[in-house]
Amino acid sequence: EVQLVESGGGLVQPGRSLRLSCTASGFTFGDYAMSWVRQAPGKGLEWVGFIRSKAYGGTTQYAASVEGRFTISRDDSKSIAYLQVNSLKTEDTAVYYCTKEGYGSGSYSSDWGQGTLVTVSS
Amino acid sequence: DIVMTQSPDSLAESLGERATINCKSSQSVLYSFNNKNYLAWYQQKPGQPPKLLIYWASTRESGVPDRFSGSGSGTDFTLTISSLQAEDVAVYYCQQYYGTPFTFGPGTKVDIK
Repeated sequence: EVQLVESGGGLVQPGRSLRLSCTASGFTFGDYAMSWVRQAPGKGLEWVGFIRSKAYGGTTQYAASVEGRFTISRDDSKSIAYLQVNSLKTEDTAVYYCTKEGYGSGSYSSDWGQGTLVTVSS
Repeated sequence: DIVMTQSPDSLAESLGERATINCKSSQSVLYSFNNKNYLAWYQQKPGQPPKLLIYWASTRESGVPDRFSGSGSGTDFTLTISSLQAEDVAVYYCQQYYGTPFTFGPGTKVDIK
């Protein structure tokens, strides 16, 4: 059974940073792209970005709203994906979901974690 | 960016009735190389993360009841729930993964009449 467990969320002041982690189990982590999707309170889903598997180059793609501030990385030896979020803004307040993609590059999100809440407020 | 729209914003049908949700993309998400539509559907129940229902526009994810079906091609897609059940109350989102940024539709709320 695929399990994705996010951690690292919390209350943070504007301009500060956080690192979110997604610990995966139940599948061969290195074979799949991993993505992050966020959902502001009471709002719809917003794609944040993804990281390809090493077989697909291990490269990343980001939404314009987070490009340059957010960085996705992965540690295949630990089966963990990370989302480094810098220069946080109040509009970054959301539940951040880690997802497993359908294959090694960005695609549909076949499995989702429960999410971790990031609240940006002074 | 590919803009995804959904209609209606919300719907309510009686138990056992058919529910239909439409999704439209601002440009085609059909990749001619493999003749696949890069379109997925998700279900999100209150307080839960989204769940994948359909990918490649019409392929049902393993374990998803067969009352859920996806159809369409190019820019126009439909999610159909053939016989609405109480447990289907949720918000449904379409998403294109044809090109980055992968964009979601605004969601359609489904309720029981």
